[in-house]
Amino acid sequence: DTGVSQDPRHKITKRGQNVTFRCDPISEHNRLYWYRQTLGQGPEFLTYFQNEAQLEKSRLLSDRFSAERPKGSFSTLEIQRTEQGDSAMYLCASSPDNTDTQYFGPGTRLTVL
Amino acid sequence: DAKTTQPPSMDCAEGRAANLPCNHSTISGNEYVYWYRQIHSQGPQYIIHGLKNNETNEMASLIITEDRKSSTLILPHATLRDTAVYYCIVSHYNAGNNRKLIWGLGTSLAVNP
Repeated sequence: DTGVSQDPRHKITKRGQNVTFRCDPISEHNRLYWYRQTLGQGPEFLTYFQNEAQLEKSRLLSDRFSAERPKGSFSTLEIQRTEQGDSAMYLCASSPDNTDTQYFGPGTRLTVL
Repeated sequence: DAKTTQPPSMDCAEGRAANLPCNHSTISGNEYVYWYRQIHSQGPQYIIHGLKNNETNEMASLIITEDRKSSTLILPHATLRDTAVYYCIVSHYNAGNNRKLIWGLGTSLAVNP
């Protein structure tokens, strides 16, 4: 399968703990996006990478959130000191340079107890 | 930001065509219309996109009005597996010419046997 992959698929953590999610984009896709989706809502944009450069961050991305894409391939999204309000599906998408079409992974569902 | 308006829900009989409308009256000349769908608890799936001409692929047809203020996604022979939330999105360019998709609430399509 050469689609976007995300790991883990599910994460349950206690409030105050740190969590890290990984996204592996489609090979040769230079653009990578992170979104957050809560129940009944559409995905909300969090951040965007062009290769290893983080070009845009949403105001939703508080200081507790950090994303990296160190070698321009896979990306990680870390949430520090998790809160119950962080419970959501975290989606990753990638796209090639010549199109806006984004291809999504299956998501990581985070539950903060 | 260009925004879209969709009916919150629709029903369709299995085997019949499903016509999903979308209004995007503030769309700019260089912004594309994208359609994605999301089956429960999965990542969004790309369906089709267009600028001003009608488009067709193996999944669906996209009809865009001449003034580009609205569009219709057509699933020609809906099956039970087409039950999903369908999102109509306009690609958005920010001041830095970075592109992202602004998602609304979508239309929840129920295909009934």
